[in-house]
Amino acid sequence: GIQVEQSPPDLILQEGANSTLRCNFSDSVNNLQWFHQNPWGQLINLFYIPSGTKQNGRLSATTVATERYSLLYISSSQTTDSGVYFCAVGIQGAQKLVFGQGTRLTINP
Amino acid sequence: DAGITQSPRHKVTETGTPVTLRCHQTENHRYMYWYRQDPGHGLRLIHYSYGVKDTDKGEVSDGYSVSRSKTEDFLLTLESATSSQTSVYFCASQGQGLGSPLHFGNGTRLTVT
Repeated sequence: GIQVEQSPPDLILQEGANSTLRCNFSDSVNNLQWFHQNPWGQLINLFYIPSGTKQNGRLSATTVATERYSLLYISSSQTTDSGVYFCAVGIQGAQKLVFGQGTRLTINP
Repeated sequence: DAGITQSPRHKVTETGTPVTLRCHQTENHRYMYWYRQDPGHGLRLIHYSYGVKDTDKGEVSDGYSVSRSKTEDFLLTLESATSSQTSVYFCASQGQGLGSPLHFGNGTRLTVT
C-alpha cells in the first residue's frame, strides 16, 4: 500500500518563529489533507490540497503531486499552534485516507 | 466545524464484554469512518461506510463490526472486548464526494480492563 512519511517527527520552536512540515508519499494521489490535533485531542481539518497552494491566515500548504510531497507552512507561530500535525493521502478509486505518523510541534512562549 | 458527536466520550469495560460506540452526524454526509489512535501507530482505519447499509473493512477490522441503518448514525461494536482494543476511537465523516474535507468527532477513550 501507499507509504506516507512526515518530517521532522518533532519540532520545538519559540513563539514567533516560522516552520515547515513535510509529507512525502510513495504513490500518485488524488486526495491529500492536513490535520491538526490539539493538546486536547481534537482533530481539525486544515487543508484539502491534492495539488497546488492554499493559504488560510498564518497557515499555508503546497502540494507538488508530480514529485510526491506536500509542505505545510506555519508563520509567526503561536502557542496555540502546538500539537500534532498529520497529513493523510488517498489514491484513485480508494475511499480511505492513509495517515502519516505526524509531526509533533511545540511552541514555547 | 462539522456536527459530529461521539458517545460515550469515555468508557471503561471488562475483557469479554460487548461494547458499542456511537457516531452521529448532522451534515448529511455520505461517507463515515471509524479510526483508532494508538501511540506509535497513528490513526488506523477500522471500518468505513459509503452509504446506508453499505460498509467495508479497513486495515484493522478484526474484532470489530459496524452498522449504518441511517445516514446520520454509524455504530462501532466490539464483539468481545480485549485489552488490545484499549484505544482512542475517532469517528469521521466526509461529504458527497471523496474530494471533500474529512471531519472528525472528538473521540471516545475506551479502556478494557
